[in-house]
Amino acid sequence: GAVVSQHPSRVICKSGTSVKIECRSLDFQATTMFWYRQFPKQSLMLMATSNEGSKATYEQGVEKDKFLINHASLTLSTLTVTSAHPEDSSFYICSASVRDRGQDTQYFGPGTRLTVL
Amino acid sequence: AQKITQTQPGMFVQEKEAVTLDCTYDTSDQSYGLFWYKQPSSGEMIFLIYQGSYDEQNATEGRYSLNFQKARKSANLVISASQLGDSAMYFCAMTILTGGGNKLTFGTGTQLKVEL
Repeated sequence: GAVVSQHPSRVICKSGTSVKIECRSLDFQATTMFWYRQFPKQSLMLMATSNEGSKATYEQGVEKDKFLINHASLTLSTLTVTSAHPEDSSFYICSASVRDRGQDTQYFGPGTRLTVL
Repeated sequence: AQKITQTQPGMFVQEKEAVTLDCTYDTSDQSYGLFWYKQPSSGEMIFLIYQGSYDEQNATEGRYSLNFQKARKSANLVISASQLGDSAMYFCAMTILTGGGNKLTFGTGTQLKVEL
């Protein structure tokens, strides 16, 4: 299957700082990537759809000025958590959509665990 | 809007036995896709199997098979010959194939524990 990487895997930061998370498709080009957030023992919540060369589409309730998404190339999307606060602590996971055996399948990165002190 | 329901928060199975993880869905769209993902404790989401709403045969991928019952709107995952490495969280998800933007809606997950 397709390989998606995410960096960093874990980050601890102070309240008020910004954190950038990178999501890369390693062996394919992805015009569409997705960013999810997952709280402990809960399901994945879609935050936004990242489209190469255009603005991201945010889900209802997700602050676009808080979670900045940039999809600058066909293999890279970044999520920046601006002015992070403890409530932003979570597991952030990205995915990239690829056409695979006739259907569009999302392949996921390994995730980034963010802890805001 | 579509909805995925996984009613089993946790399941136990003995090694080498088969196990069925339940998934029901609700949508008014006729064209959709159903997925199962595995999430080990490391956190990565691993794609397991896919079933399209118009696929007449149940999907199979190695030890994984999807028991698709369209009229009942269920898409249960069957894992045969369970292995210790199958212990993980399993998520059922769906996407609308026409105009859905490839978005996935996830269920709440089932924690599977494989025992000796």
